[in-house]
Amino acid sequence: EAQVTQNPRYLITVTGKKLTVTCSQNMNHEYMSWYRQDPGLGLRQIYYSMNVEVTDKGDVPEGYKVSRKEKRNFPLILESPSPNQTSLYFCASSLSLGTSTDTQYFGPGTRLTVL
Amino acid sequence: GNSVTQMEGPVTLSEEAFLTINCTYTATGYPSLFWYVQYPGEGLQLLLKATKADDKGSNKGFEATYRKETTSFHLEKGSVQVSDSAVYFCALSDDSNYQLIWGAGTKLIIKP
Repeated sequence: EAQVTQNPRYLITVTGKKLTVTCSQNMNHEYMSWYRQDPGLGLRQIYYSMNVEVTDKGDVPEGYKVSRKEKRNFPLILESPSPNQTSLYFCASSLSLGTSTDTQYFGPGTRLTVL
Repeated sequence: GNSVTQMEGPVTLSEEAFLTINCTYTATGYPSLFWYVQYPGEGLQLLLKATKADDKGSNKGFEATYRKETTSFHLEKGSVQVSDSAVYFCALSDDSNYQLIWGAGTKLIIKP
């Protein structure tokens, strides 16, 4: 089954404790991205990757890191989480760079709470 | 810059009612337009899209027409069901920086 998986689905942590949210897709997609979803703000892109070893900042990259060492995986790293990073996070992928035509496939989301 | 504005929710309707969720956009060039749906506890999934002016996207009884003259892409359904309860997001493509620009989302509640 074609899918995007994220782990963990739920995470409660404390300020400053490094964490990684994993994202994996099995569709051989080139383009992957991370979003955060906050009430009233819709989805805001954190980082995206156009292919292996190619990443770029989205609209809200501060406090986050990503890597793309393999085509299927795109982990999101919070080196020193803060309470304002409490949010619902989504990973997404699409076949190529063409957002005009390509469907974005989303993972189920990771709900992160930083105390 | 590019932006998407959706009507605020929640929108509450009775089953079999007619649905309209408004979406307007600001964009340079000729973006593609999308509606994504998020069911409770799930990720977003594409509902429909339109890639050029006057195109109509349709799926699962939902429709939206790309209106360049009014810069709109309103979502409609003739008879909603309880199972349509979800959050609906309007979005436009921005190929200049490989991003989708998202509206804030509209929560739809359908009562039996």
